[in-house]
Amino acid sequence: QLQLQESGSGLVKPSQTLSLTCAVSGGSISSGGYSWSWIRQPPGKGLEWIGYIYHSGSTYYNPSLKSRVTISVDRSKNQFSLKLSSVTAADTAVYYCARWDDYGDYRSFDYWGQGTLVTVSS
Amino acid sequence: DIQMTQSPSSVSASVGDRVTITCRASQGISSWLAWYQQKPGKAPKLLIYAASSLQSGVPSRFSGSGSGTDFTLTISSLQPEDFATYYCQQANSFLALTFGGGTKVEIK
Repeated sequence: QLQLQESGSGLVKPSQTLSLTCAVSGGSISSGGYSWSWIRQPPGKGLEWIGYIYHSGSTYYNPSLKSRVTISVDRSKNQFSLKLSSVTAADTAVYYCARWDDYGDYRSFDYWGQGTLVTVSS
Repeated sequence: DIQMTQSPSSVSASVGDRVTITCRASQGISSWLAWYQQKPGKAPKLLIYAASSLQSGVPSRFSGSGSGTDFTLTISSLQPEDFATYYCQQANSFLALTFGGGTKVEIK
């Protein structure tokens, strides 16, 4: 059974860079047809897609966050990472990592991490 | 970006009720729509993909329908464990994925 686990700093100061890692177990991050994504949810609000790193290695980001986001993968450690720069209080959210299944008709997030709360505050 | 609008934003229902949630896309997305269930403090769980295909392990009381711009998620007989928030997500524009605002199903 595939499992994803987020880790990283839970408190980030305004203007600094948020950094999170998602460790994947029970399967290889290099499996074809899957992409690896970050999604966030501000407290009491809905879901916002941040971006993903495609199985080809290409990255795609939410246009509203594109200038501040970097998603990368470390295949040797079977994990992928998120960096979000110049954070403000508006970036306070639960951050989820998830697998994007792009096989055939699937086109959905089929496995999710448990989520990690990141608070932006001085 | 494709905007996804869900209605209602919340619904009160009793165990055994039939519940229908609607999701409308701002432009046609063919059948590229997924539905998720989220319980408090938990990650979302995939229920339906490609508008009407049931994810493995999901009870058959959940069903999805629609294509183009209008979609529905139906719970045929609401169970206690179904009280949660439901989100739709368009997968037509994979360069800019978007979710609906959510529908909270509450106990009447």
